Amino acid sequence: EDQVTQSPEALRLQEGESSSLNCSYTVSGLRGLFWYRQDPGKGPEFLFTLYSAGEEKEKERLKATLTKKESFLHITAPKPEDSATYLCAVNKGSNYKLTFGKGTLLTVNP
Amino acid sequence: GAGVSQSPSNKVTEKGKDVELRCDPISGHTALYWYRQSLGQGLEFLIYFQGNSAPDKSGLPSDRFSAERTGGSVSTLTIQRTQQEDSAVYLCASSLGDGLNQPQHFGDGTRLSIL
Repeated sequence: EDQVTQSPEALRLQEGESSSLNCSYTVSGLRGLFWYRQDPGKGPEFLFTLYSAGEEKEKERLKATLTKKESFLHITAPKPEDSATYLCAVNKGSNYKLTFGKGTLLTVNP
Repeated sequence: GAGVSQSPSNKVTEKGKDVELRCDPISGHTALYWYRQSLGQGLEFLIYFQGNSAPDKSGLPSDRFSAERTGGSVSTLTIQRTQQEDSAVYLCASSLGDGLNQPQHFGDGTRLSIL
């Protein structure tokens, strides 16, 4: 059974304190791994798609990386506005359905 | 440009009533998806529409759930004889297609509460 596990469940950082979120997956035939950001009361907002091991993508203070078993979302010098739940999702083969992890709730204190 | 629009944003109803949830996808997006997000759970796939193809209903939890998409655009998710376990946020997403470089973009959801 396909599984996506995110850790930690919650993370508190001070402004400027860099860290990483983890997404481990067990999927045969990974097609893509997706990162989303979700603010309270809002729908998930697309951040990145990663397709193959070794790939990296960056956007502002965020950088996503992918290996054959996991993905990391690195947050460099975070700001309070980076506070949100970060969701990881995968799909496989010709399957368009996304399987999501439960997310990491990130809080950045000023 | 306009994103995915869902209505109502909140819905409170009594157990046993039927509810209809609406989704307006991004203009030009041929693929449309419904997901459910329950408290403490990840997003759960419900149903997928792509163009004129038959929908993939494999994620619908019971025969009380149904969905349709009219004219390749607006979609309605219907839940009949609602139960308390149906309480959740129902999210709609759309994409240009189902290719790798065509990510799903989500609306803000309908928060459904069954009393």
